[in-house]
Amino acid sequence: KQEVTQIPAALSVPEGENLVLNCSFTDSAIYNLQWFRQDPGKGLTSLLLIQSSQREQTSGRLNASLDKSSGRSTLYIAASQPGDSATYLCAVTTGTYKYIFGTGTRLKVLA
Amino acid sequence: EPEVTQTPSHQVTQMGQEVILRCVPISNHLYFYWYRQILGQKVEFLVSFYNNEISEKSEIFDDQFSVERPDGSNFTLKIRSTKLEDSAMYFCASYRSGSYEQYFGPGTRLTVT
Repeated sequence: KQEVTQIPAALSVPEGENLVLNCSFTDSAIYNLQWFRQDPGKGLTSLLLIQSSQREQTSGRLNASLDKSSGRSTLYIAASQPGDSATYLCAVTTGTYKYIFGTGTRLKVLA
Repeated sequence: EPEVTQTPSHQVTQMGQEVILRCVPISNHLYFYWYRQILGQKVEFLVSFYNNEISEKSEIFDDQFSVERPDGSNFTLKIRSTKLEDSAMYFCASYRSGSYEQYFGPGTRLTVT
């Protein structure tokens, strides 16, 4: 059974820092891995999607990498800003195409 | 840009009542999903739907739940007799064949009192 874990559960950093969020999954047979942002009480905003054949994706200050063989993905946020404060979720898709989500990393960027 | 929409944004109901949550997937998408997120917990898969039938459901999706595509645009989740523990945010998602990327709606917050 696929399980997705995110470390750390919470993170507080000063503005301007570069930071790395981690996601690990137990079964390497995935189709996609996707990173989302969720603001409190709100919906899911898609950040980056990495297909299983890809190693990384970039969008602005965000870079996500995927290492299928080790069951890991990282989300790198450069020059963090207070507006980046949110919960970041990773999710993987498996053979039945449903998403399996991690528990998230709650990020707070201090001004 | 096309998007998945959900109504209502917030629904309050009393325990034991039936509720129907509505979703309008992106028009050329054929695969539809419901997920839920209990406050403070992870997003969990409930059910997937393709070609007018359920393709997969989780252990959460018991006989109290049902899904339907009543017309060419709507996709609904019905909870027959709500319980306190059904209070959660419910997300609808859809995708078209070939991409595997699901597009999520903004969610419906269900509060059962």
